[in-house]
Amino acid sequence: EAQVTQNPRYLITVTGKKLTVTCSQNMNHEYMSWYRQDPGLGLRQIYYSMNVEVTDKGDVPEGYKVSRKEKRNFPLILESPSPNQTSLYFCASRRGHTNEKLFFGSGTQLSVL
Amino acid sequence: AQSVTQLGSHVSVSEGALVLLRCNYSSSVPPYLFWYVQYPNQGLQLLLKYTSAATLVKGINGFEAEFKKSETSFHLTKPSAHMSDAAEYFCAAGGGSQGNLIFGKGTKLSVKP
Repeated sequence: EAQVTQNPRYLITVTGKKLTVTCSQNMNHEYMSWYRQDPGLGLRQIYYSMNVEVTDKGDVPEGYKVSRKEKRNFPLILESPSPNQTSLYFCASRRGHTNEKLFFGSGTQLSVL
Repeated sequence: AQSVTQLGSHVSVSEGALVLLRCNYSSSVPPYLFWYVQYPNQGLQLLLKYTSAATLVKGINGFEAEFKKSETSFHLTKPSAHMSDAAEYFCAAGGGSQGNLIFGKGTKLSVKP
């Protein structure tokens, strides 16, 4: 089954404790992206990747890092989480062309205390 | 820069009534336009997309949207609402060289029995 898998589904952590949210897709997609969803703000893009070893900032990249060492994986790293990073995070992927649909993971609800 | 505006953060309709969710985009060039739906505790799923082949686009679950260039609009409609349509709906526009999508802030649809 074609899917984007995010882990963990829920995460509670404390300020400053480094964490990684994993994202994996099994569709051989070139494009992958991370979004955060906050009430009243919709989805905002954090980082995206056009292919292996090619990453770029989205609209709200501060406080986040990503890597794309393999085509299927695109982890999101919070080196020193802060409470304003409490949010619902989604990973998504699609084939290379810009009008292809995005496949979304089920989301990771992060709470930073 | 592109932007996407969804009028109305909450829309409530009765079961069997017309559903109309509004979306306007700003762009000097007609972009690729999408509607995604998010059911509770799930990721986003594609409802339909406009890619210039036809101005009236039919999607899943009886939804359709009409692209109107003169109004820079891409409103989503469904003739008869069903209880299962209760969800949050996002309009998105893309089309730059990287194809990053700009999402609207979302409209939460409630369906009353």
